[in-house]
Amino acid sequence: DTAVSQTPKYLVTQMGNDKSIKCEQNLGHDTMYWYKQDSKKFLKIMFSYNNKELIINETVPNRFSPKSPDKAHLNLHINSLELGDSAVYFCASSHIYREGLTKNIQYFGAGTRLSVL
Amino acid sequence: GEDVEQSLFLSVREGDSSVINCTYTDSSSTYLYWYKQEPGAGLQLLTYIFSNMDMKQDQRLTVLLNKKDKHLSLRIADTQTGDSAIYFCAERRQTGANNLFFGTGTRLTVIP
Repeated sequence: DTAVSQTPKYLVTQMGNDKSIKCEQNLGHDTMYWYKQDSKKFLKIMFSYNNKELIINETVPNRFSPKSPDKAHLNLHINSLELGDSAVYFCASSHIYREGLTKNIQYFGAGTRLSVL
Repeated sequence: GEDVEQSLFLSVREGDSSVINCTYTDSSSTYLYWYKQEPGAGLQLLTYIFSNMDMKQDQRLTVLLNKKDKHLSLRIADTQTGDSAIYFCAERRQTGANNLFFGTGTRLTVIP
């Protein structure tokens, strides 16, 4: 069973379109994340969601909006796609962060490769 | 600086040891992680170390931590062709959330 699954695996679209990437986890985790990996493989946190509440947003344009219908899902919606949005987007999940809680390991999905033409 | 730094490339011969180095940024980071990314795949956690440890060994993997210099390394013994991948170190900073900050990744190539 796949622990963190993302769909689609590949997404090719035109500039200006709106698209969504879905993420689901079956690990019973409370917190989910979206990361962006650019063409040079740099990996940066975009969002994390905890109990339906956005808890971080690292200077991501407001064209990107995470949507969480329930604690097992965190979808990423992108409006007005730009060329610079082309990247691989990774979803991850972990138990809720608490100070002193050990490990808080994040488990990653396989990624969605977005190409904006 | 803000960035977690790693060398971009490393090539080793099959059977040799590989050492991948990382310099992290926050001396109060509690956990440091090593993730592996194979081509076209997601990130797989390899191992982690708590900041009050100097060393952790897990089968062929040895992690060394030098807190004073904020230096982390991953040694892979008896490197195999299946170890070819990109290796990312990550630190969990003390920001009140489970924020992971990743290094630039080191592409390990194992030569048969």
